[in-house]
Amino acid sequence: DQQVKQNSPSLSVQEGRISILNCDYTNSMFDYFLWYKKYPAEGPTFLISISSIKDKNEDGRFTVFLNKSAKHLSLHIVPSQPGDSAVYFCAARSYGNKLVFGAGTILRVKS
Amino acid sequence: NAGVTQTPKFRILKIGQSMTLQCTQDMNHNYMYWYRQDPGMGLKLIYYSVGAGITDKGEVPNGYNVSRSTTEDFPLRLELAAPSQTSVYFCASKDRGMHEQFFGPGTRLTVL
Repeated sequence: DQQVKQNSPSLSVQEGRISILNCDYTNSMFDYFLWYKKYPAEGPTFLISISSIKDKNEDGRFTVFLNKSAKHLSLHIVPSQPGDSAVYFCAARSYGNKLVFGAGTILRVKS
Repeated sequence: NAGVTQTPKFRILKIGQSMTLQCTQDMNHNYMYWYRQDPGMGLKLIYYSVGAGITDKGEVPNGYNVSRSTTEDFPLRLELAAPSQTSVYFCASKDRGMHEQFFGPGTRLTVL
């Protein structure tokens, strides 16, 4: 039973354009949502998060939007850069400070 | 600060062998976690700890054991390695009051 789903395995975007990565969840008790970025042969690194009581959080080129009624969040990267090419994981915080991860989306930014 | 360190980086085991994956953090974080990542899948929680002497099972604990005798160290033990345990293992830590976890570089384990 996948509580956090990233339905797009991959996404290809031109440099300078917007990248939009999507994530759906089923558990309404999640209180925080996080995005992690992962390069090959490295551990995931924290990118940005949003509380369940907010609908938007912005940090430089990265913005996360949360639609609680639809149980959907998205990560926007504007403008996209070749160095953004990585796997992006959506995660949700469950009880006991545990994270539930989606399967990830591979982002390729073409120059 | 080195952050979260894991050893070894790579290991090949034969079926039935045992090994310990080491994880150390120097950030004085209370919470520590072990995940495994299989190809095309997200990270799945194996075990976690909220402080020295306290551990609990995650989503996929079978075949593994952990201990937490100090704040810094959280080793993961595989007693009888099976091919299904072929995976990349990540250790993470988090401070009380924070929501983001900090990850180590991972250990790639192959069981043949």
